[in-house]
Order: sequence, then structure tokens, then C-alpha cells
Amino acid sequence: GAVVSQHPSRVICKSGTSVKIECRSLDFQATTMFWYRQFPKQSLMLMATSNEGSKATYEQGVEKDKFLINHASLTLSTLTVTSAHPEDSSFYICSARVWGVTYEQYFGPGTRLTVT
Amino acid sequence: GIQVEQSPPDLILQEGANSTLRCNFSDSVNNLQWFHQNPWGQLINLFYIPSGTKQNGRLSATTVATERYSLLYISSSQTTDSGVYFCAVELATNFGNEKLTFGTGTRLTIIP
Repeated sequence: GAVVSQHPSRVICKSGTSVKIECRSLDFQATTMFWYRQFPKQSLMLMATSNEGSKATYEQGVEKDKFLINHASLTLSTLTVTSAHPEDSSFYICSARVWGVTYEQYFGPGTRLTVT
Repeated sequence: GIQVEQSPPDLILQEGANSTLRCNFSDSVNNLQWFHQNPWGQLINLFYIPSGTKQNGRLSATTVATERYSLLYISSSQTTDSGVYFCAVELATNFGNEKLTFGTGTRLTIIP
């Protein structure tokens, strides 16, 4: 149980275009989903927290207009990188959990974004 | 914010050896998780252990919450244990703003 999927696993796009990444909880309903970014040989940094049906909470320094997050259902959250630039190239990872049951988070396999 | 430090940063061992990885944190937590990030980037949940001791096969973990540290033990290492090990914690007083803060990681390399 507690499986989280992400799609796509890898994407290459041109500078100035937008990319959407999907995060799904496959066998549980996730009241809260999180989006992280990881640069090579570094740790994970939280970008934003999204609760189903409400606006995402962004961490300091993360541009909310650039990284659009939608948590439309209890099993799906999306991250859209708008007007991507090469510096947005990174490994994006989502996680999910059921609030109130446990604090444990379950992570997706990640999406590697390369902006050319 | 909460500080999370892991040691050692790098560890190279021969197959079959045992190892201990440490995670120190600066404040009271209500969540502590250990992860193994494999070469493809997938984070694998090892333990959810805000306190106490747990064992799963060759791996075990102990968190001493009052002293603000956790240890991950790996016995009889195998090459498939290679990768980066992260601990991540969630502040106990952050009700309504729960989030995990990740440590810097320990890169483990097991040599055949």
C-alpha cells in the first residue's frame, strides 16, 4: 500500500514553454501533498504544500506564479512550471499523506526536468 | 527553522560490513523518517520512527527523542544498499504547517 506515482518520469522542453507534472496517490486518499525540488548531489528542498480543495502554501523564495500547483482531488496534484528556463532544470519529487492518521509521507519516483 | 545534520557525509564499506548512520536534530519532532534514495532517484521509506526502536530485516533504527538524535543501523551490507540515506523530521510545534525538513544525507557505497 501507500503508492505514489508521478508522470512523466522525464521531460525535456524548450526555454519559454510550460510543463505539467502529475502526482497521484494510487491506493489511498491524500489530504495533503507536497512538492520538492532536488539539485544534483543535494538534499530535497520543499517547494510547496497543497491541501485538497484549497490554495497551495509556498515556501519562502518559491515563485507561486512560476510554479502553479493544483490539488483538485484527493488523489491528484499537479505542478506546472510556467515559462521554464534552464535554471528550472531539476529533479521534482512529490509526496502525499493522509492527515490525522499518521505523519508519515510517501514519495513518488520523481520527474527529471531538463530545459534547453 | 529546525536544523537536521547527518553524519558521516560519505561512507565506503566492503560488502558484508556493518554501518551506523546518525541524524541529529535541533528541536522536538513529531515525525522522523529514514529514506534510501536509489540511483534512479526514488525515495524508499525505511522507517517512520519519531521515537523508539524498530527493525526490518538487516536494517534497524533507534530514535532518542529527548536527546534529539536517531541512528540507522545496516548490518551485513550488500551492494544494493548503495545510495544516499536521508533522515527527515517534522517540528512538533508546527501544527497547521506540517512539513518535513531533510538532512544533508549520507552517501553509502558498498564495494563487492
